[in-house]
This record gives sequence, structure tokens and C-alpha cells, in this order.
Amino acid sequence: AQKVTQAQTEISVVEKEDVTLDCVYETRDTTYYLFWYKQPPSGELVFLIRRNSFDEQNEISGRYSWNFQKSTSSFNFTITASQVVDSAVYFCALSGNTGKLIFGQGTTLQVKP
Amino acid sequence: NAGVTQTPKFQVLKTGQSMTLQCAQDMNHEYMSWYRQDPGMGLRLIHYSVGAGITDQGEVPNGYNVSRSTTEDFPLRLLSAAPSQTSVYFCASSSALRGEDYGYTFGSGTRLTVV
Repeated sequence: AQKVTQAQTEISVVEKEDVTLDCVYETRDTTYYLFWYKQPPSGELVFLIRRNSFDEQNEISGRYSWNFQKSTSSFNFTITASQVVDSAVYFCALSGNTGKLIFGQGTTLQVKP
Repeated sequence: NAGVTQTPKFQVLKTGQSMTLQCAQDMNHEYMSWYRQDPGMGLRLIHYSVGAGITDQGEVPNGYNVSRSTTEDFPLRLLSAAPSQTSVYFCASSSALRGEDYGYTFGSGTRLTVV
């Protein structure tokens, strides 16, 4: 069975602080994909990144970076120099051989000015 | 190219009423799925389909029916609505099974309230 755990329910930071959102996953599939989505207050789901299980390179996109470690089954997301516009719910998700996309519970990030 | 279209955006039902949430995609995606989102629970998979004529249960299928008669459409039916089905529903589609540009496209959501 697949499972995604986001242990941090809510995080509050002050603008310009760095913040890391944790994601731990479980799967028996050898090929799988990991995702991060952002859900702003408007409610839509915004795709941030996709990683396949064979690519453990860390990725940086502007202020966003992702650390994928198969040894610890983790796919953590760091926002550097956070901004108020980063306030949202962030979801980590996992898909495997069947195509089913399973989500974690989500982490609500509040960035205060 | 409209992507994934969900209708309606908002709906209020009385307990016991039935209704169908519509989901349509124009990307020729084989994979389609329905989720419900409740506070603190993330998005939970209700039902999914890997192609026309094929459906399967997700994590929380009870109280919901689906069918997939065409590649484009994947309606979600509530036969007898209950207050516990008050939620925001998302439909998603993907070309994942073809190994192309592996990603999921989500609809804008349907906010359902059952009173």
C-alpha cells in the first residue's frame, strides 16, 4: 500500500525566514513519482514539482528547493526567504504503477509580514 | 484546450437527495479520478478509472458510484446524499499510463454542502 505522511500540520514563520516542509512516503513499487502541490486560499491546486524514483538529484527553482532521499523515503520542500504570498496549504503526493495519486494530509504554511 | 472541467462549482443538497458531479477532460487522458478534500485530511481518493469501461475504488468509495462510458467523461454519483459527504470534490486526469509527461491535471473543484 502507498502512504504519504506530512507530520507538520501547521507552520508559522515570519517573512524572509527559511522554512522546510517534510514529506515521508511508503511504497513497494520500484518505479514511482513524487509530487508537491500548492493550494492557495483561492482553492485551486497548483503543481510545483514532479520527481521520479530514479532521479535523486536535488532541484532548485528560484526560492524553492527539493531534497529527495530514497534512503529515508523523504521528499522535503524548502522555501528560502519566505514571502507572504507563500502562505498556502502544501501537499506532497505519490503515484506508482497503477497511476493512483495518493496525497499526504497537507501542511498549512502561514507567512507573517 | 479546456483541460479538466467540473460542474457545478457549488451545490447544496438535502439529505437523501441524489446528484451527479460532472467531470470532463479534452486531453485524451486514460486515467481519471475523483477526490474529496476535508479539513486536515488532505485529498482522499474516492474512485479512479484507467480507461473507458474500467473503474476501481479508492480510499473512501462508500456512498459514491462512478462509470466511465467514454474517455472524456467521468461522472461521480451520490445516490442518497448524507451530511458526511459535505466536502470539496476534485476531479483529475492524467496521461500517466502512457508514460508521457507524467503529471495530473485537476479541475477547479465542486463545493458540496448536504443539509
